[in-house]
Amino acid sequence: AQKITQTQPGMFVQEKEAVTLDCTYDTSDQSYGLFWYKQPSSGEMIFLIYQGSYDEQNATEGRYSLNFQKARKSANLVISASQLGDSAMYFCAMRPPGSRLTFGEGTQLTVNP
Amino acid sequence: DAGITQSPRHKVTETGTPVTLRCHQTENHRYMYWYRQDPGHGLRLIHYSYGVKDTDKGEVSDGYSVSRSKTEDFLLTLESATSSQTSVYFCAISEGGTGVSYEQYFGPGTRLTVT
Repeated sequence: AQKITQTQPGMFVQEKEAVTLDCTYDTSDQSYGLFWYKQPSSGEMIFLIYQGSYDEQNATEGRYSLNFQKARKSANLVISASQLGDSAMYFCAMRPPGSRLTFGEGTQLTVNP
Repeated sequence: DAGITQSPRHKVTETGTPVTLRCHQTENHRYMYWYRQDPGHGLRLIHYSYGVKDTDKGEVSDGYSVSRSKTEDFLLTLESATSSQTSVYFCAISEGGTGVSYEQYFGPGTRLTVT
């Protein structure tokens, strides 16, 4: 069974600074996808970024980048130049082929002015 | 934004009553999912559908049933609601279900309270 671990229940960052949210995963599959979602206080789940296990480059989407270290089975989300609107819960998720998304328990990020 | 709506958005019901939550999509995506979100557990899959009348169980399916008679609608039914089913329920859709790269898009959620 797949398992996602997010070891930081809460994180704080100053506005305009970068922050890294940790995610490690456990799978025996060679092919899989890794995802990050954002959940603001309003409750909706917003897809942020995707990384395939065979992708050679780390994924980037605007201020979001994924620091993918396959040997360590980690897929950390890096948010550059934090903004107040980045305050939210962030979920890491993984999908092996033919299977369903498995989510971690999330990290609550607070951006301080 | 993906066209996904959920109804109702909030519901309070009594233990033992049946409850049906509806998910409606306008994206014509084949795959639809129901999750529940509870503190300390993240999102857990209840049931999913890979086509009209094709459904399967997720990791927390006990006490829930689903139906999909049209591509655009996916219903989640609690046959006899219990307090342990108090949760926030999310519907999600995906263009593909077996490939690793297909992201899921989520509806706004339904907050269900069982008293």
